[in-house]
Amino acid sequence: QVQLVESGGGVVQPGGSLRLSCAASGFTFSTCGMHWVRQAPGKGLEWLGVIASHGNLGYYADSVKGRFTISRDNPTNTLYLQIDSLRAEDTAVYYCAKERGHDSWNFDLWGRGTLVAVSS
Amino acid sequence: EIVLTQSPATLSLSPGERATLSCRASQSVGSYLAWYQQKPGQAPRLLIYDVSNRATGIPARFSGSGSGTDFSLTVSSLEPEDFAVYFCQQRTNRALSFGGGTKVELK
Repeated sequence: QVQLVESGGGVVQPGGSLRLSCAASGFTFSTCGMHWVRQAPGKGLEWLGVIASHGNLGYYADSVKGRFTISRDNPTNTLYLQIDSLRAEDTAVYYCAKERGHDSWNFDLWGRGTLVAVSS
Repeated sequence: EIVLTQSPATLSLSPGERATLSCRASQSVGSYLAWYQQKPGQAPRLLIYDVSNRATGIPARFSGSGSGTDFSLTVSSLEPEDFAVYFCQQRTNRALSFGGGTKVELK
């Protein structure tokens, strides 16, 4: 079954850290660029960053650069998002998304998302 | 950073009517423009990529057009399942952004 399944969300205190995971199945994960996108409650979509298929290259949105780190483990078909110094404004549903084609930067497969709530 | 502005914010229509959604970029995005549909509680779904190419499994009633800074998504005849929020998305210079969305609601 072709799918992405995020996990690792929850309630975190401001200043804390969290690592989200995205388990991929049903496609050749190691050949796909992968992205993270988030959506605050009732708001639009915000792109966070990308990691290339081999994990050797990544780009981030200016708004999260330095606090967010994307990594991947191709042998286990898993994508990660490390979030540090969490703020209230990081509260959102976090989605992982697969590129439709090589270097396409549009997404034909999304996970269902994992909710991160930053609150004291 | 390229800003995408979608209009209108809300479109109130009836089934069978034509829907035309607009997406304007603050600078040229070439042909790197995609459209997504999102329903409540669901992840977005890719409809159109590279301005006018329908994604796999997307019905022919969805079409995209435009160039440079002005783009549109047209739904030729709304089906009940088309009432949702639609986002445009661009990628340039190793950055990506989404528009704020247009909600297509039942009139």
